[in-house]
Parts: sequence; C-alpha cells; structure tokens
Amino acid sequence: AQKVTQAQTEISVVEKEDVTLDCVYETRDTTYYLFWYKQPPSGELVFLIRRNSFDEQNEISGRYSWNFQKSTSSFNFTITASQVVDSAVYFCALSETSGYSTLTFGKGTMLLVSP
Amino acid sequence: EADIYQTPRYLVIGTGKKITLECSQTMGHDKMYWYQQDPGMELHLIHYSYGVNSTEKGDLSSESTVSRIRTEHFPLTLESARPSHTSQYLCASSELAGYNEQFFGPGTRLTVL
Repeated sequence: AQKVTQAQTEISVVEKEDVTLDCVYETRDTTYYLFWYKQPPSGELVFLIRRNSFDEQNEISGRYSWNFQKSTSSFNFTITASQVVDSAVYFCALSETSGYSTLTFGKGTMLLVSP
Repeated sequence: EADIYQTPRYLVIGTGKKITLECSQTMGHDKMYWYQQDPGMELHLIHYSYGVNSTEKGDLSSESTVSRIRTEHFPLTLESARPSHTSQYLCASSELAGYNEQFFGPGTRLTVL
C-alpha cells in the first residue's frame, strides 16, 4: 500500500523567509511518480511538478525548488523568499507508473505568509 | 493550460433534493476523477473512470453515483442530499498513457441545509 505523510499541518512565515514543506512517502514499487500541487484560497488544485523515481536530480523553478532523496523516501519542497501569494495548501502525492493507478495524496500543509 | 470545468461553483440546497454536479474537460483525457475535500483539507477519492462506460469506486465510500457516457463528461449525482454531504467536490482528469498528473477543475462547494 502507498502512503504519503506531510507531517506539517500548518506553517506560518513572514514574507521573504525561506520555507520548506516536508513530504515522506512509502511504496513497494521500484518505479513511481511524485507530485506537488498547490491549492490557493480559490480552491482549484494547481499542478506544480512531477518527479520520476529514477531521476533524483533536484529541480529549481524560480523561487521553487524540490529535493528528492530516494534513500530517505522524501520529496521536500522549498520556497525561497516567500511571498503573500504563496499562501495556500500544498499537497504532495504519489502514484505507480501504471496508467491505471490513482494518486495517493498527503493530507496537505497549509502555508500562511504574512506581510 | 488545463481545461476542466465544473458547475455550479456554489450550491446551497435543502435536505432530500436530488442534485447533479457537472464536470467536463476538453483535453480528451480518458481518466476522470471525483474527490471530496473536508474542511480540514484532506482529499478523498470517491469515484474515477478509465473511459467511456467505466466507473470505479474510490477509497472513500460515497452515496453519490457517477456516469461516463461521453469522454468529456463525468457528472456526479446525489439522489437525496443530506447535511453530511456538505463538502467541496473536485473533479480532475488525466491521460491514460501519460505520467498520471491530474488536472483539476475549480471545484463545487456544496452546502446541504
């Protein structure tokens, strides 16, 4: 069975602080996909990134970066110089590589960035 | 850019009414999903479909039903709404032969009085 744990329920930071959202996963599969989604107050989940299990390169996109470590089953997400617009709920998710699989979501981390 | 639509965005309805939440996507995706989201944020998969005439129950038991008569359309129906059905309902779609990333609609916030 797959499982995704986001231990941080809520994080509060002040604008311009760096913040890391943790994600730990469990799976018996040797190949899998990992995802991060953002859910702003408007309610729609926005896809941020997908990482294949065989690609352990970290990725940076602007102020966002992702640290994938297979050895610790973690896929952490860092926002550098946070902004008020980053306030949202962030979900980490996991799926098998089969097209017939579904996503297993973590419970989400609410990030509050205050001015 | 994801093109997945949900109507209505907000619905307030009395107990016992029949309701249908609409979901349509224009991306030609085979797979579609319905999630129920608690006020506490957690997402629960309640239904999904691999394609036309395919429907499967998700991880969370739900009194709702779904149908998939057309690829682009995946409506969710509650025959008799109850206050316990009050929630946010999110529809999503993905390619069958892709990387499983799902694209989400804006959601329907349902309140049953």
